[in-house]
Amino acid sequence: GDSVTQMEGPVTLSEEAFLTINCTYTATGYPSLFWYVQYPGEGLQLLLKATKADDKGSNKGFEATYRKETTSFHLEKGSVQVSDSAVYFCALIPGTSYDKVIFGPGTSLSVIP
Amino acid sequence: DAGITQSPRHKVTETGTPVTLRCHQTENHRYMYWYRQDPGHGLRLIHYSYGVKDTDKGEVSDGYSVSRSKTEDFLLTLESATSSQTSVYFCATFGTKGTDTQYFGPGTRLTVL
Repeated sequence: GDSVTQMEGPVTLSEEAFLTINCTYTATGYPSLFWYVQYPGEGLQLLLKATKADDKGSNKGFEATYRKETTSFHLEKGSVQVSDSAVYFCALIPGTSYDKVIFGPGTSLSVIP
Repeated sequence: DAGITQSPRHKVTETGTPVTLRCHQTENHRYMYWYRQDPGHGLRLIHYSYGVKDTDKGEVSDGYSVSRSKTEDFLLTLESATSSQTSVYFCATFGTKGTDTQYFGPGTRLTVL
């Protein structure tokens, strides 16, 4: 079935370090791919998305490119800040079923000054 | 922001008691979801609804029931709470089928003693 795999962390980085969180997926059809972020004590919110192969989603300095050949959607940021400390979820909507979102387990990121 | 509120935000109850969590949305979104979030498991879908009185089970539906008598309200009931249902519960919505951003409520932290 459809699934999402991501590095679980926790990941601890110093401020201004480069961030990569790996995400790979298994899906039938042509899924849409997402990164959601959850700040402490809050619900999830959409960070960025890509709906077809080679699309790049970007927001708040974060980027991810939909790579169909490697079934990946890795999240990157060139210089993290303390305020980026959160849990990041990779997710997909299967191409065959638009009413469900499949989430990865989440990656906890802590950025220290 | 889809104007999603959840009540209560925190609840402590005893094993064997019934509990109802409420999700209310103001955007007239058709699809509504209940997830639970637990360490090491990420988000797991409990039940979802694709319209008034139309509901379906998710991957962890045992011990839970739902009702949706109005578009804006989606209730999650634990008929007889158990300690394994201690979790953080999130409500979420989709606008329409084919739109791709899911909106989340702030969560309800439930503790079953």
